Amino acid sequence: TQLLEQSPQFLSIQEGENLTVYCNSSSVFSSLQWYRQEPGEGPVLLVTVVTGGEVKKLKRLTFQFGDARKDSSLHITAAQPGDTGLYLCAGSGGYQKVTFGTGTKLQVIP
Amino acid sequence: KAGVTQTPRYLIKTRGQQVTLSCSPISGHRSVSWYQQTPGQGLQFLFEYFSETQRNKGNFPGRFSGRQFSNSRSEMNVSTLELGDSALYLCASSVGHAESNEKLFFGSGTQLSVL
Repeated sequence: TQLLEQSPQFLSIQEGENLTVYCNSSSVFSSLQWYRQEPGEGPVLLVTVVTGGEVKKLKRLTFQFGDARKDSSLHITAAQPGDTGLYLCAGSGGYQKVTFGTGTKLQVIP
Repeated sequence: KAGVTQTPRYLIKTRGQQVTLSCSPISGHRSVSWYQQTPGQGLQFLFEYFSETQRNKGNFPGRFSGRQFSNSRSEMNVSTLELGDSALYLCASSVGHAESNEKLFFGSGTQLSVL
């Protein structure tokens, strides 16, 4: 069974601070995705990383895929209240068989 | 383009009953996946349907079943409900290519409470 552990589980920070969320596994994934989920809604895809060592930037969000394709990180610069939500990483091994991480609940306080 | 639609939004049932949830994917999408989300277990994969056939299945008991219709709409059924089945049930649609990085579009979910 492929497992994805995220850390930290909860994060409460002040607006303007930086933060990093980690997603780790002992398994190799062909691709890894990050989602954000707001209360009462389904997850929304933020980014997909495919190549080991790949770095993608989405405004203030930076995503990195580990060289061995077993881990990933999400870094947010100057967090804003609108970044509040549940962040989920998801690893894929093909045929839509997606394994979701344990989740990181982020609260950004104005 | 309309998003993924799940009905009903909320559902309250009692133990032993059965329930059917519905999902209408984005037009043109042929794959529908179902997930169960709980605070303790997170998001867990139930099953995936493509062209009316179950293509993938997670580790859930046989009480959880699904089907897909020719118009790609999907339903999932849970029989003999247990308290532990209380969860947010999410449906995701995608084009359906067998690619590992295909984009999933989620609905808002059905919140099921079993009393």
